[in-house]
Formats: sequence, structure tokens, C-alpha cells
Amino acid sequence: GQQVMQIPQYQHVQEGEDFTTYCNSSTTLSNIQWYKQRPGGHPVFLIQLVKSGEVKKQKRLTFQFGEAKKNSSLHITATQTTDVGTYFCAGEKDSWGKLQFGAGTQVVVTP
Amino acid sequence: NAGVTQTPKFQVLKTGQSMTLQCAQDMNHEYMSWYRQDPGMGLRLIHYSVGAGITDQGEVPNGYNVSRSTTEDFPLRLLSAAPSQTSVYFCASSSGTLGEQYFGPGTRLTVT
Repeated sequence: GQQVMQIPQYQHVQEGEDFTTYCNSSTTLSNIQWYKQRPGGHPVFLIQLVKSGEVKKQKRLTFQFGEAKKNSSLHITATQTTDVGTYFCAGEKDSWGKLQFGAGTQVVVTP
Repeated sequence: NAGVTQTPKFQVLKTGQSMTLQCAQDMNHEYMSWYRQDPGMGLRLIHYSVGAGITDQGEVPNGYNVSRSTTEDFPLRLLSAAPSQTSVYFCASSSGTLGEQYFGPGTRLTVT
């Protein structure tokens, strides 16, 4: 079964508000990646976190990797309509690049 | 560079038919993989390859075959299509371990 869980599955956000999506793994991960998929599109890489407790920012997006390397979060501030899409986390347990994807958080932004 | 390309974009098959989904990349990536995406389930790994001549099974390999005769190409074969294989299929490539994956545009497959 799926070992990387994401919550929430859906997120309705008013434009300008903040929200957070969470990713949890049942096992320790070597690294975690985040992808964004626009409706009808393909997943596009956003960021990779490798170190325990790592925090990275990309403009309004803040990514965090937990101390135990079993969870991660993506926080978006001042949501814009361009943030619409599904955000996936993907954990990597071994060394080759075999990713386990979460089910994704579908984000809908209302103006 | 074209990146990762996939053909066809759309395909409708009847139960029992076979077909090959094509995937090619021009980035000289060693690692390639096939995923299927179903509503509410994220992306699930079907097969992957760590280099030409080397392939292995992912999470949901049944009903699919792959081969990797060149670095550039990684076709996915459906041997006898079933309605349960109705899905969107993505091919991805990566330059190495712990690296970002580049996805193709996807193939939307319907099996009736």
C-alpha cells in the first residue's frame, strides 16, 4: 500500500490566504521532492529536501523536511490564482531515484 | 532540447488489444521510469530503468513490459489491455540518484 500520505486531499483557498499541505511517510526517507501539476498537465519539479530539519523557500513557497526525515510540509503564503493545481510530495527511500508519490493535494483558489 | 517526449497523446483500445507507449528523452539521462496516474492515487511506479539494458519492476508492474535498448528510449508495452489499465501514463527521466525527475506530457489511455 501507499506509504507516503498527504493531507489534505483538497484545499479551497481564498486568494490572499495562506495554506499548508503535509506529507507523512511510514519510513525514514533519504530525501523528499515536491512537484506541482497544473490541470491537464504533467508534474513539474519544485524542490528537493535532503537534510534533517531543512527549510527552503521559493518566493511565497516554504518547504520543510522533518527532523526525523519522515514528514514534510509545503506552506504557501498570500495564495494567488496561479497557485492552482495539485501538489505532490515524493519520498525517496533508496539511492537510485525510485520515488514513492503521495496522492497529492488539489488546490483550488477562489478570487 | 525537447526534454521528455511521449506518443501518442491519446489512445483508445479494446479489451485484449496490445500496444506500445513510446517515451524518449534527449538529455542523456541514465534513469527512466513509467508511472500511471489515477484519480486520488497520485503517481504509481510501473517499471524503471537505471541504464540501457537494465530494467526492474515498480509498484504496479502486472500487465506491462518494458525494455531499454538505448539510453534515449524506454517504451512501455501493454500485452493484453484491460479496462483497469485506463489511466494517464507518464514517462520520466532523471540524471542520477537523488535527482529531480523530468516528466513527459503524458498519454491518456482508455480501454473499453
